[in-house]
Amino acid sequence: DTEVTQTPKHLVMGMTNKKSLKCEQHMGHRAMYWYKQKAKKPPELMFVYSYEKLSINESVPSRFSPECPNSSLLNLHLHALQPEDSALYLCASSQEPGPRSSPLHFGNGTRLTVT
Amino acid sequence: GENVEQHPSTLSVQEGDSAVIKCTYSDSASNYFPWYKQELGKGPQLIIDIRSNVGEKKDQRIAVTLNKTAKHFSLHITETQPEDSAVYFCAAPTGTASKLTFGTGTRLQVTL
Repeated sequence: DTEVTQTPKHLVMGMTNKKSLKCEQHMGHRAMYWYKQKAKKPPELMFVYSYEKLSINESVPSRFSPECPNSSLLNLHLHALQPEDSALYLCASSQEPGPRSSPLHFGNGTRLTVT
Repeated sequence: GENVEQHPSTLSVQEGDSAVIKCTYSDSASNYFPWYKQELGKGPQLIIDIRSNVGEKKDQRIAVTLNKTAKHFSLHITETQPEDSAVYFCAAPTGTASKLTFGTGTRLQVTL
């Protein structure tokens, strides 16, 4: 089983709803990531937090709002999503920031459906 | 641009045969090359990685080879088993930012 825990596993929301995805790791990793994965596609980077500060935003629409309350937790707040935002949202962590230095550990994702 | 190409997109082998998946990258500064296995309903899991100071790395039935001059690296699975059936992604760091770019994925099917 993965050491990165994501909740909920599944989420169905309407376009006017506000919801949050949660991610937790207790490996002492200092970098955390949000990825989006559409069916039969590779994961695409959305956000990177390094030492609890947002370091990368891959031009993600503002209806997605990340938050890192502490070094173990990562949230993704969702508001006014579109049906095309339906996807698997993956959280990952690494011991140090930067893929050149340490590998990513992924959670099992939240399957999001926007109706 | 900076991308990672992966081939083949699908691969079917008989149990016990070997499977090879190849990736090429364009960023000459890339120095770390992981491979991930993604089973249905799960997130990608790291199965093996290699850094640019070595040309080959083995871990039981899986191995990765790296050719920095040609900018390609390959995953080799020997004595394949049904539980090896999954989607495999290669990846490489790209650009100046802390970004890992994934290949397009290979769906491996191991048949009995």
